[in-house]
Amino acid sequence: GAGVSQSPSNKVTEKGKDVELRCDPISGHTALYWYRQSLGQGLEFLIYFQGNSAPDKSGLPSDRFSAERTGGSVSTLTIQRTQQEDSAVYLCASSISGTSGQETQYFGPGTRLLVL
Amino acid sequence: DQQVKQNSPSLSVQEGRISILNCDYTNSMFDYFLWYKKYPAEGPTFLISISSIKDKNEDGRFTVFLNKSAKHLSLHIVPSQPGDSAVYFCAAQSRGSQGNLIFGKGTKLSVKP
Repeated sequence: GAGVSQSPSNKVTEKGKDVELRCDPISGHTALYWYRQSLGQGLEFLIYFQGNSAPDKSGLPSDRFSAERTGGSVSTLTIQRTQQEDSAVYLCASSISGTSGQETQYFGPGTRLLVL
Repeated sequence: DQQVKQNSPSLSVQEGRISILNCDYTNSMFDYFLWYKKYPAEGPTFLISISSIKDKNEDGRFTVFLNKSAKHLSLHIVPSQPGDSAVYFCAAQSRGSQGNLIFGKGTKLSVKP
């Protein structure tokens, strides 16, 4: 079966522009996570969706970042007024339910964002 | 303050020998630990996990050991193969958390033929 897919794979934008990153989780997975990896760093949690519950936004670094998940499947991460420090690889992951803990999260290939 | 630490940024091993990757954590609420492997330009790939009720989990060439009293875990790869060359991330999850993982900064493993 298909894994987690993300688009675009690469994005170059100018400082101040808005960007949208897309994630398509594994079919049947109700939990979806966004992480980012800055150069030389580990993965940093951003936001978590579980079914129809309100998302856990505790990892979002500023109010310029937002995400939504339509129909419990595809998710879009939006960064408004991008800054150079937003340059990173943005990774999406999904897991079966996200409610029981101790579930494996499966990652997509990531979107490499470069803000000039 | 880092809750998951991988103190070795890189490790070089000869093909056929054992690779040992280490990870330390500070949060006693962590009860589930995972190792991911990452090749350049790809997303992390799940390797192996261990629950805090166990001290060892084995899957083929990969074994993870957990020492709760020392808040330390390690990944052993035996025998190491050139295709194992990648960045390895240790990740942890808190008891009762919604599932977000806390990652270390990774260790780059190079297996030389």
